[in-house]
Amino acid sequence: ETGVTQTPRHLVMGMTNKKSLKCEQHLGHNAMYWYKQSAKKPLELMFVYSLEERVENNSVPSRFSPECPNSSHLFLHLHTLQPEDSALYLCASSHEMRITGELFFGEGSRLTVL
Amino acid sequence: KQEVTQIPAALSVPEGENLVLNCSFTDSAIYNLQWFRQDPGKGLTSLLLIQSSQREQTSGRLNASLDKSSGRSTLYIAASQPGDSATYLCAPSPYNTNAGKSTFGDGTTLTVKP
Repeated sequence: ETGVTQTPRHLVMGMTNKKSLKCEQHLGHNAMYWYKQSAKKPLELMFVYSLEERVENNSVPSRFSPECPNSSHLFLHLHTLQPEDSALYLCASSHEMRITGELFFGEGSRLTVL
Repeated sequence: KQEVTQIPAALSVPEGENLVLNCSFTDSAIYNLQWFRQDPGKGLTSLLLIQSSQREQTSGRLNASLDKSSGRSTLYIAASQPGDSATYLCAPSPYNTNAGKSTFGDGTTLTVKP
């Protein structure tokens, strides 16, 4: 298994659908992150989790709902999305949250909202 | 607020050439700086991590340098190959916060022609 695994790799959904993105890390890390990467824009940090506790929410709309059931898994629940939410969603992990360390990313989930 | 600039935005070189990618940042109070590679539609792959106390790091044909006081880092790629074609991003991390707070540049898109 690679370090950080994201599923699905591609997702197409309508504005009224409910779907979820999944991230799993096999590195024994304690911190996990969700990022959004839109065309022509730098990476935007969305959520930070440390030991299953959400420690940061960067003004993300409530139609994005994260869940961290344990330190290895992170979900991003999606509902009532808008076409402008179409982007590459990246999950990352690091050993600890407070000690700034190396980030490891997954392959991303390409989301298209129709 | 940290601002990261990567120059050039795009670079096209023939195979075998040595090249330098530049990254500048406005706030020199960084804990470390990480260089990533991103292939189209894929996640980020960590290439090198330089701690603020270090001047450079090497991995194979890659060498990254850091001049924290002047707010600059360079990524040197020796003997470029077509497989090096990708977007390269730098991301400095601040002190005393989480790794997700790294600020990402827009990247340099490299094309190595056979």
